Amino acid sequence: DQQVKQNSPSLSVQEGRISILNCDYTNSMFDYFLWYKKYPAEGPTFLISISSIKDKNEDGRFTVFLNKSAKHLSLHIVPSQPGDSAVYFCAASAWNAGNMLTFGGGTRLMVKP
Amino acid sequence: DVKVTQSSRYLVKRTGEKVFLECVQDMDHENMFWYRQDPGLGLRLIYFSYDVKMKEKGDIPEGYSVSREKKERFSLILESASTNQTSMYLCASSLAGLAGTSDLVYVFGPGTRLLVL
Repeated sequence: DQQVKQNSPSLSVQEGRISILNCDYTNSMFDYFLWYKKYPAEGPTFLISISSIKDKNEDGRFTVFLNKSAKHLSLHIVPSQPGDSAVYFCAASAWNAGNMLTFGGGTRLMVKP
Repeated sequence: DVKVTQSSRYLVKRTGEKVFLECVQDMDHENMFWYRQDPGLGLRLIYFSYDVKMKEKGDIPEGYSVSREKKERFSLILESASTNQTSMYLCASSLAGLAGTSDLVYVFGPGTRLLVL
């Protein structure tokens, strides 16, 4: 049973427009959420995170929104750039699970020039 | 520049061979992890370790073993490689610190793409 789901395997966006990547979770114990970005033939790199005590966290062009009642988070990239083309993984951690992260299946973002 | 390094970027092995994948981190992290990444399946946890000589099974440990003799090094062993172990293998490390904080950020290595023929 997947506790973290990214239902869109791929997303295509025009350069300069907004990219919205979505992530749903089922475990109500999750209290910390992260987004990672992965280029082909490289390891994932940390992008942005959010604690469950917040509903928004912003870092430059990247904003993560958390809707706890819907068990949903999203990553907004504005404006999207061709260099943002990568696979994006969301991950979640439960307060009672130590430092274990549960990852979603990933969404491949393609930003077209 | 802190980092996680993996011994090989690409490996080609024969079915039945014993395969060693090495991972080293220089951040004095307590936790280390091995994942595999396959298209459509995301990142799946194979094994992890919270301390030297300590190991715990992840979601898909079958066909794998691990070794952590030193804090900075975590090895993944394929006892008898099979074609269904062809994958991208990713090592990661993290602090043992406070749950629900930035201590949770995993640092990943560059990955090893393994092809088993």
